[in-house]
Amino acid sequence: TAGITQAPTSQILAAGRSMTLRCTQDMRHNAMYWYRQDLGLGLRLIHYSNTAGTTGKGEVPDGYSVSRANTDDFPLTLASAVPSQTSVYFCASSDFYSGGPDTQYFGPGTRLTVL
Amino acid sequence: AQSVAQPEDQVNVAEGNPLTVKCTYSVSGNPYLFWYVQYPNRGLQFLLKYITGDNLVKGSYGFEAEFNKSQTSFHLKKPSALVSDSALYFCAVRASSSNDYKLSFGAGTTVTVRA
Repeated sequence: TAGITQAPTSQILAAGRSMTLRCTQDMRHNAMYWYRQDLGLGLRLIHYSNTAGTTGKGEVPDGYSVSRANTDDFPLTLASAVPSQTSVYFCASSDFYSGGPDTQYFGPGTRLTVL
Repeated sequence: AQSVAQPEDQVNVAEGNPLTVKCTYSVSGNPYLFWYVQYPNRGLQFLLKYITGDNLVKGSYGFEAEFNKSQTSFHLKKPSALVSDSALYFCAVRASSSNDYKLSFGAGTTVTVRA
């Protein structure tokens, strides 16, 4: 099974431009998450969705937006990118009823550089 | 609020020696605790978790972790480290009483196993 796919693998983006990072899971998990990983800071939650049609803010939501129109997809949008958004972005999913509570499964990541 | 501390940025051990990666947590009530591993340029992979029951949890690749409620710790251990265990390790926590699925991750510990 593919699990979680993310696209693109990497991207260089000019400051002020918009971009959508894509995330798709094929495990029918109800919850999905977006994290950013920065050296020395670990993973920080940007936004999450407990189920299709609902979203919530994480630890560092400013400058990002998400939508959850269906179970499988959870895109992350940067409306106007800034250099501080240079990071590696990971999408994850989990399902309360498979593997026990909160085992999150991660995608391979998107490396974003904002110049 | 919930949080995790990984007090060591780096751990270096010789192959064949025991490996310990430390984690302490702070949470209201009882915790759910997790260890993840990240190999270079990859997403996070689940290693093991503590939900309830036996304080010693066994996971993938010969790793285990011991939950110590009095010390609020969940240290990861492996009796005999391999060079292939060299990676970045993350501890994560959430309160079992929480109504959402959000995890809090530590900053990570880089493990280097030398041949």
